[in-house]
Amino acid sequence: DTGVSQDPRHKITKRGQNVTFRCDPISEHNRLYWYRQTLGQGPEFLTYFQNEAQLEKSRLLSDRFSAERPKGSFSTLEIQRTEQGDSAMYLCASSSAGEGEKLFFGSGTQLSVL
Amino acid sequence: GNSVTQMEGPVTLSEEAFLTINCTYTATGYPSLFWYVQYPGEGLQLLLKATKADDKGSNKGFEATYRKETTSFHLEKGSVQVSDSAVYFCALIKTGNQFYFGTGTSLTVIP
Repeated sequence: DTGVSQDPRHKITKRGQNVTFRCDPISEHNRLYWYRQTLGQGPEFLTYFQNEAQLEKSRLLSDRFSAERPKGSFSTLEIQRTEQGDSAMYLCASSSAGEGEKLFFGSGTQLSVL
Repeated sequence: GNSVTQMEGPVTLSEEAFLTINCTYTATGYPSLFWYVQYPGEGLQLLLKATKADDKGSNKGFEATYRKETTSFHLEKGSVQVSDSAVYFCALIKTGNQFYFGTGTSLTVIP
């Protein structure tokens, strides 16, 4: 069990560019979540996968955001045409089917949009 | 809608002091309640949980009791240690798989 890993740790981009983040969950976990956290706030739910199926998506998630989990293992989160308001820490978490409420979080990807 | 409000920090305590971090929630029905902790340089991890009214969650000397009458889930520890220095997040889940987190309370314990 190597934990949830996220790549990259930091990303600086210019407004209007596309960015993609990767999350590798704990290997036996079939549930995967993406959250966003801004300074002084708690994590905010973005989307949830069970295996390869995206089952929930926040109403706050703009059309510029898309997430995939093609083989039910790693996941990617893409943000198109980034805006300064997208600057945040993007967190990935995973959990097992038997303990769905026990989330294991990665250390996050810090995005800065200039 | 669903939301969690927790006391603002930062909180600084001396070692062996008593800790309380307040958390109240807004939700219809009966959510499950959680405390997550984030140690420096690490991801958030589950500290304890309670799934119904009057349940007490406990772990590592921390306790929290689900109080439906006051919609609260306050975190307590009788004697904090330096190693307890972290950010603590109260959270709830109602239906589905969407957690609602509070804003976090930073705790620093000094020797």
